[in-house]
Amino acid sequence: DGGITQSPKYLFRKEGQNVTLSCEQNLNHDAMYWYRQDPGQGLRLIYYSQIVNDFQKGDIAEGYSVSREKKESFPLTVTSAQKNPTAFYLCAAGRDETHEQYFGPGTRLTVT
Amino acid sequence: AQSVTQPDIHITVSEGASLELRCNYSYGATPYLFWYVQSPGQGLQLLLKYFSGDTLVQGIKGFEAEFKRSQSSFNLRKPSVHWSDAAEYFCAVGAANAGGTSYGKLTFGQGTILTVHP
Repeated sequence: DGGITQSPKYLFRKEGQNVTLSCEQNLNHDAMYWYRQDPGQGLRLIYYSQIVNDFQKGDIAEGYSVSREKKESFPLTVTSAQKNPTAFYLCAAGRDETHEQYFGPGTRLTVT
Repeated sequence: AQSVTQPDIHITVSEGASLELRCNYSYGATPYLFWYVQSPGQGLQLLLKYFSGDTLVQGIKGFEAEFKRSQSSFNLRKPSVHWSDAAEYFCAVGAANAGGTSYGKLTFGQGTILTVHP
């Protein structure tokens, strides 16, 4: 069954704690992306990676970090430096040359 | 830099009625254009895409979209809406960066929420 998995679906953390969101794909796509979604603001790009061991900041990278040690995996860490971390986080994988992206089911993070 | 505008935040239609969701983009060259659909609390599903060629593209679930270069638009249409079409719809554009290379990045519109009345 091909696709993108994100875990967990819901995540609760206390303010000041770092938290890591998982994203795994078996689509064999080189490129992977992390987006943040807030009501009425569409999707905003946090980080993206075109190839293993390489990644670039997106439009709102401050307070986030990523790694890309394997083609299949692109975890996102929300650090305590992120001022407003409560949001819906979406991971995607896709083909660079066509901009086509396929999304996971998302993780809703609530920080209190 | 490219941008996408979806002028309608919320649209309500009756089941069986036709639907048109508007999308305008800003980009100098021919863009890659997409429509995605999102049910509450879920990820985004690709409905259709335009890269080149025929300006009328067919997608899944009976949706179609027409690329109009002169109007910088890529409106989504469906002849007869079903109650299961109620969701949020996002238009997205992909384009090359300033250096002329493509990193596969997409810019999304703010989304249009579709409500379907029985």
